[in-house]
Amino acid sequence: GAVVSQHPSWVICKSGTSVKIECRSLDFQATTMFWYRQFPKQSLMLMATSNEGSKATYEQGVEKDKFLINHASLTLSTLTVTSAHPEDSSFYICSASPSWPRTDTQYFGPGTRLTVL
Amino acid sequence: GEDVEQSLFLSVREGDSSVINCTYTDSSSTYLYWYKQEPGAGLQLLTYIFSNMDMKQDQRLTVLLNKKDKHLSLRIADTQTGDSAIYFCAGGADGLTFGKGTHLIIQP
Repeated sequence: GAVVSQHPSWVICKSGTSVKIECRSLDFQATTMFWYRQFPKQSLMLMATSNEGSKATYEQGVEKDKFLINHASLTLSTLTVTSAHPEDSSFYICSASPSWPRTDTQYFGPGTRLTVL
Repeated sequence: GEDVEQSLFLSVREGDSSVINCTYTDSSSTYLYWYKQEPGAGLQLLTYIFSNMDMKQDQRLTVLLNKKDKHLSLRIADTQTGDSAIYFCAGGADGLTFGKGTHLIIQP
């Protein structure tokens, strides 16, 4: 149980294009989902907290106009990297916390590797 | 915000026990976690410990928590080559803060 999927698992795009990454909780409902970014040889950095039906809360230094987050349902959150540039190349990971029973436990997706040429 | 520190590398011989240590600053986490990341893969939740516990054992894994010193450790008994990975500790009440990860290297 508690499976989180991400799609796509990897994507290569040209500079200036937009890329959408989906995060789904497959067997539970998640009021809250989190988006992380992992730089090579570094720990995960929390980008934003995504709440179903409301605007995402972005961490300091994360451009909300560049990284658009939509949490349309209790099982789906999307991250859109707009006008991608090579410096946006990274490993993006989402996680989800079950709505019930509510705990701090988070379940992570497998990650999406974005390469911007 | 939370600050989580881990040593970057640990090398052990196959069959020995591995102990990965972690220190943190924010004591408001309800749970503290250990994650495993194998090469090319996403994070896997290995185990977690409730903040009012001192110890949790799960098969070959033992988690020790010293709240006074804000120190968390993960012991892997009888370390195998399949245990070779990066291990992250993490904490935080809402939105996890991860350490930089400890690369566990297994020597034959």
